[in-house]
Amino acid sequence: EDQVTQSPEALRLQEGESSSLNCSYTVSGLRGLFWYRQDPGKGPEFLFTLYSAGEEKEKERLKATLTKKESFLHITAPKPEDSATYLCAVQAGDSGYSTLTFGKGTMLLVSP
Amino acid sequence: GAGVSQSPRYKVTKRGQDVALRCDPISGHVSLYWYRQALGQGPEFLTYFNYEAQQDKSGLPNDRFSAERPEGSISTLTIQRTEQRDSAMYRCASSSGGTYNEQFFGPGTRLTVL
Repeated sequence: EDQVTQSPEALRLQEGESSSLNCSYTVSGLRGLFWYRQDPGKGPEFLFTLYSAGEEKEKERLKATLTKKESFLHITAPKPEDSATYLCAVQAGDSGYSTLTFGKGTMLLVSP
Repeated sequence: GAGVSQSPRYKVTKRGQDVALRCDPISGHVSLYWYRQALGQGPEFLTYFNYEAQQDKSGLPNDRFSAERPEGSISTLTIQRTEQRDSAMYRCASSSGGTYNEQFFGPGTRLTVL
């Protein structure tokens, strides 16, 4: 069974204080790892897809990296508007499609 | 439309009633997914369609839950004889299809069963 564990559950940062969120996974045949941002009362918003170990992707203050066992979402000099819940999900399997298995998310609060 | 839309946004019903939740995917997206999300949790897979074909319904909790997508576009998730434990946020997502693709989520329907 695919498993996704995110840590920490919650993180409070001061504006400008860089940090990283962790997503560790156990899957059979990883096909893709996805990061989403979710604001309160809204649906998850797609951020990144990573397909293979060593891959990195960046978007503004966010950078996602992937190893064979985990992914990190690095947040550089965060701003209050980066406050949200960040969800990690994996897509795995050998079939022609596969659904996403999500972690519980990390709730990030950035204070001014 | 520009994104995935769902209706109604909020639904309050009495135990034992049937409810139908609608999802309108992004135009041209062939794949459609239904998830359920509890507070403080990530979305949990319910069922998946490729065009009009229901490819996987392994996540549906029991036979009171069903879904259809008759014309390969709009989908309806139906819950019969609702129970209080069915109360949750129900989310729909769509993707362009293919092996590697991002899923784009709608705003969800908050279902409350009294």
